[in-house]
Formats: sequence, C-alpha cells, structure tokens
Amino acid sequence: DQQVKQNSPSLSVQEGRISILNCDYTNSMFDYFLWYKKYPAEGPTFLISISSIKDKNEDGRFTVFLNKSAKHLSLHIVPSQPGDSAVYFCAASGSGTASKLTFGTGTRLQVTL
Amino acid sequence: NAGVMQNPRHLVRRRGQEARLRCSPMKGHSHVYWYRQLPEEGLKFMVYLQKENIIDESGMPKERFSAEFPKEGPSILRIQQVVRGDSAAYFCASSPKQAQFGYTFGSGTRLTVV
Repeated sequence: DQQVKQNSPSLSVQEGRISILNCDYTNSMFDYFLWYKKYPAEGPTFLISISSIKDKNEDGRFTVFLNKSAKHLSLHIVPSQPGDSAVYFCAASGSGTASKLTFGTGTRLQVTL
Repeated sequence: NAGVMQNPRHLVRRRGQEARLRCSPMKGHSHVYWYRQLPEEGLKFMVYLQKENIIDESGMPKERFSAEFPKEGPSILRIQQVVRGDSAAYFCASSPKQAQFGYTFGSGTRLTVV
C-alpha cells in the first residue's frame, strides 16, 4: 500500500526552465510534508518542508505547494540548474513532527544544458 | 562538525552470516532513525531510537533484525542470518530532539548478501 506516490519516475528539463515534481498521498492523517534530494551513493538531503496549515512555502529557488483537498503537493525549482540533477523524494509524516517519514519512490530529474 | 557517520559504506555478507551496521549521530544529537532502501524503491522507515530507548520500531521486520543506541557509542543495526532479500542501502539519520524539520541523513551502508 503506497501511501505516498510519485508517478513520474523521471523528468528532463532544460537549464533555466522550471522543474515541477509532483507527489500524491492517500493518508488523510499526514500533516507534514518534506522534499529530499539525493545524489548517487549519498544520503538524502533535506530541501524544504510544508505544514498542512499552509498551502505554499518558498525557499530561494524552491517552492512547495500543497493542495489538501486533492491530496497533492508539488515542488517547483526555478530556474533549474545542472547541479539540480538528482533523485527527488517526497515524504510525509502524520504525527505533527518528522519522526517517522513515509517516502515516495522518487523522481529522477535531469537538467540539460 | 562532522555529519552523520555510517560505517562501513559497503558490506558483503554470505547468506546466514550476521551484519552489523553502525551509525554515529551528529554531535549533540540524541535521536536516531534507521531507514532501508530496496532497489528502485523509496526509503522505508525501520526504527526510531533515543539514547538507551527504542521509541518506535514499527518498521522493523519481526525476526532477525534488532537495533540499539547505547548510552555511549554509535547506534547499531544488527541483522542476523542474512538472506539475499536483505540486500539494500541502509540509511541512518539523527536529530537533536524529536525532529520538527527534515533530519540529517548519513551516506548509508550498502549491504550485499551473496
């Protein structure tokens, strides 16, 4: 039972353009959402998070949008850079903290020149 | 200011042997989390520990797997009598308290069972 779904296994975007990564969830008890970035042979790195009381959170080039009624969130990267090429994981937590995260299967982003 | 340190980075074990994975949290962090990533999958929560206490082990397989975080020393994830299905990347993360934001992961231990 995949409670957090990332339906696009890969995405290719040109440098300078917007990257949009999507994530859907099924568990209504999730109230905290995070995005992680992962390079090969490294651990995931925290990027940005959002609480269910908000619908948008922005940090530099990264913005996360949350649509609770659709149980959908997205990560926007503007402008995309070659160094952004990595696997992006969406994660969710239902306890009010990030103690136990449920991860999606990831989307591999390739930013081309 | 070292990050979360995991060792070994790569571990090869024959079926039936024991695997011990070690995780040293960041300085000042007393909470440790273990996750497993099977090939082509996302990370799956295994266990959450504080010093000398297991807080949540709901993701741990019922048999062969155990975890500890002693008062002194690293956290240990132990897998007894390994099978090929245990081959995966095991990641540890730490936080100074019950994590409010994304916690910091180590680089992982890649376990291969042959």
